[in-house]
Amino acid sequence: QVQLQESGPGLVKPSETLSLTCTVSGYSISGGFYWGWIRQPPGKGLEWIGSIFHSGTTYYNPSLKSRVTISVDTSKNQFSLNLSSVTAADTAVYYCARLQMATITLDYWGQGTLVIVSS
Amino acid sequence: QTVVTQEPSLTVSPGGTVTLTCASSTGAVTSGYYPNWFQQKPGQAPRALIYSTSNKHSWTPARFSGSLLGGKAALTLSGVQPEDEAEYYCLLYCGGAQLGVFGGGTKLTVL
Repeated sequence: QVQLQESGPGLVKPSETLSLTCTVSGYSISGGFYWGWIRQPPGKGLEWIGSIFHSGTTYYNPSLKSRVTISVDTSKNQFSLNLSSVTAADTAVYYCARLQMATITLDYWGQGTLVIVSS
Repeated sequence: QTVVTQEPSLTVSPGGTVTLTCASSTGAVTSGYYPNWFQQKPGQAPRALIYSTSNKHSWTPARFSGSLLGGKAALTLSGVQPEDEAEYYCLLYCGGAQLGVFGGGTKLTVL
């Protein structure tokens, strides 16, 4: 079945860049789905970060667009998130998920990874 | 930017029925917003329940149903079970680069 797994540093210093990778198994990332990143600050709700298609087409949340880059590596069946100039407000659990663009359906999710921004 | 609003909290008795709603600051929610619903339990990732207003995923229990109600998207749980106690989030398609906006979540207590 489709599985997603986030990986990356759990601690990032303020002003640095947060980098996470999502490894997809059980489905080719070059299939007909988009792939997305969502985050959740501790004790708060979900926030859409952005999404990417295997061709490289991306959509970003306008509130984060100036700091976000999402990329895809089809050879490794992975996609990645870079968030620059982080502050404590970027502390959150970061999830990756598969996205059916036609209906914005996020059907399969990773377990999430907590990233703390602190010096 | 679109704001999506849900009830902060609701309480239901076991075996009862409860309806959660999801409203958009831009006006009435229609099928074109492709409402999605997710369940999240503490320490777990969100789990997709409903997509495109009323469609269930293969793993969605039959007691969950989605609809449009009074200009809002709605999630109804019939015959609530203790394990349904969780946070529930809706997601609406808002177009443009934003794509989707999540509601703030409803904490459902089964008591």
